[in-house]
Amino acid sequence: AQKVTQAQTEISVVEKEDVTLDCVYETRDTTYYLFWYKQPPSGELVFLIRRNSFDEQNEISGRYSWNFQKSTSSFNFTITASQVVDSAVYFCALSEAGSARQLTFGSGTQLTVLP
Amino acid sequence: SAVISQKPSRDICQRGTSLTIQCQVDSQVTMMFWYRQQPGQSLTLIATANQGSEATYESGFVIDKFPISRPNLTFSTLTVSNMSPEDSSIYLCSVLLSAGVGETQYFGPGTRLLVL
Repeated sequence: AQKVTQAQTEISVVEKEDVTLDCVYETRDTTYYLFWYKQPPSGELVFLIRRNSFDEQNEISGRYSWNFQKSTSSFNFTITASQVVDSAVYFCALSEAGSARQLTFGSGTQLTVLP
Repeated sequence: SAVISQKPSRDICQRGTSLTIQCQVDSQVTMMFWYRQQPGQSLTLIATANQGSEATYESGFVIDKFPISRPNLTFSTLTVSNMSPEDSSIYLCSVLLSAGVGETQYFGPGTRLLVL
């Protein structure tokens, strides 16, 4: 069975600090997707990134970067120079069998960026 | 991606009543889903809304409690029936889109439901 663990329940940083959100996953499948979503206080779930299991390249998008390591079954998310607007709950998710139809979500990490 | 809207955005309801939530997408999509997010919790899939046939429910969710309609490829409704305070949650719809090499679920803005 698939499982996603986000061990950090809450993280608090001061603006401009870097912060890394951890995500560890379990799957028996060799073909799977990993996702990160952001949920601001408004409640909407915003898609940030999808990573395919066969693509271990790290990715950078502005202040966001993702580190995918199959050897440790981790897909960590780093925000550089954090801003107050980054305050949100961040969810990591996994889907198997080469399809995004069945998403298994982690429990989420509440990130608070203080001014 | 797609533009997804939900109505209502929030509501306060009395126990024993029912509420129907609408989800509208700006393009035709094959697969739509309904999720529940209880306070402080992660997302749980309620069901897959199938166009032209009955929804496919996940374990722990039943049609009598959460009837779903999917009359066409751009619209779906979820009804929360005979509500109790335990139904207070955010309800989100999502759609499955192919993008590049693979698929992604995109979510609507959610409906915040409070049952008194």
